[in-house]
Amino acid sequence: QAVLTQPSSLSASPGASASLTCTLRSDINVGTYRIYWYQQKPGSPPQYLLRYKSDSDKQQGSGVPSRFSGSKDASANAGILLISGLQSEDEADYYCVIWHISAWVFGGGTKLTVL
Amino acid sequence: QVQLQQSGPGLVKPSQTLSLTCAISGDSVSSNSATWTWLRQSPSRGLEWLGRTYYRSKWYNDYAVSVNSRITINPDTSKNHFSLQLNSVTPEDTAVYYCAREEEYFDYWGQGTLVTVSS
Repeated sequence: QAVLTQPSSLSASPGASASLTCTLRSDINVGTYRIYWYQQKPGSPPQYLLRYKSDSDKQQGSGVPSRFSGSKDASANAGILLISGLQSEDEADYYCVIWHISAWVFGGGTKLTVL
Repeated sequence: QVQLQQSGPGLVKPSQTLSLTCAISGDSVSSNSATWTWLRQSPSRGLEWLGRTYYRSKWYNDYAVSVNSRITINPDTSKNHFSLQLNSVTPEDTAVYYCAREEEYFDYWGQGTLVTVSS
C-alpha cells in the first residue's frame, strides 16, 4: 500500500471550492506529520503552495493566494488542500508530500480540472 | 534570485551511467541552510525523491532506498554545482530529472531534463 494516496482526478466549477485529499497509510498517523502541497502545470516543475500540520503549525508559500489552505481530517487519516473560489488557472496537478523515515515521499497526484 | 541550470545527456544506453549536473547561481552549494536534491518524474513512478547532498560543518548525503545501491550525488564547491550519477540504468529509469533546492521545502527547481534509457 502506498504511503500517500491521492485521488487521480477531480473536477469542479469556476467559483466553487475543491477539496483535495491525501490519505496516509493506516500505520502512519497524520497528526504527526507536516504535509506539504505542490502545484504542477504542464511543462513546469512543481511549485510549493503551503504546508500544514496544525492551525498553530502552518505556512503559506510566498505569493500563494489565501484561497489555498490546508487542513486535516484525523478520522480519515488524511491531509486536505482546500481551494476556494476556483479559477481556470488553478487547473493543474497537485501533490502532497511528507518527510517519512528520512526521505521525502510524494503522493501520486490529483489532476484538478476546472470546468 | 536563486537559479538552477541542469545539463547532461538526454539519452543513455541500458546498463550505463546516467550523469547530470545542476549549476547553482544566487546561492552556494556549501550553504548551511539548504540541501541540494535530485528528483525524477515519470508516468509509471510519479514524482520520486532520489537523494540530496548538504553541508553542515561537513558533507552529508541521503539517498532513497529505491536507488541507494546505484546513486551518487556529489557537490563541487569550485564550480558551485552538484551532480547526479545513477549506475546500471534500465528503461525504468526513463524520466524527467529535476534538481532542486530544499530549505524545508523545495523552493527552487531546475528546468528538468528528460532522460531516456534506450539502446
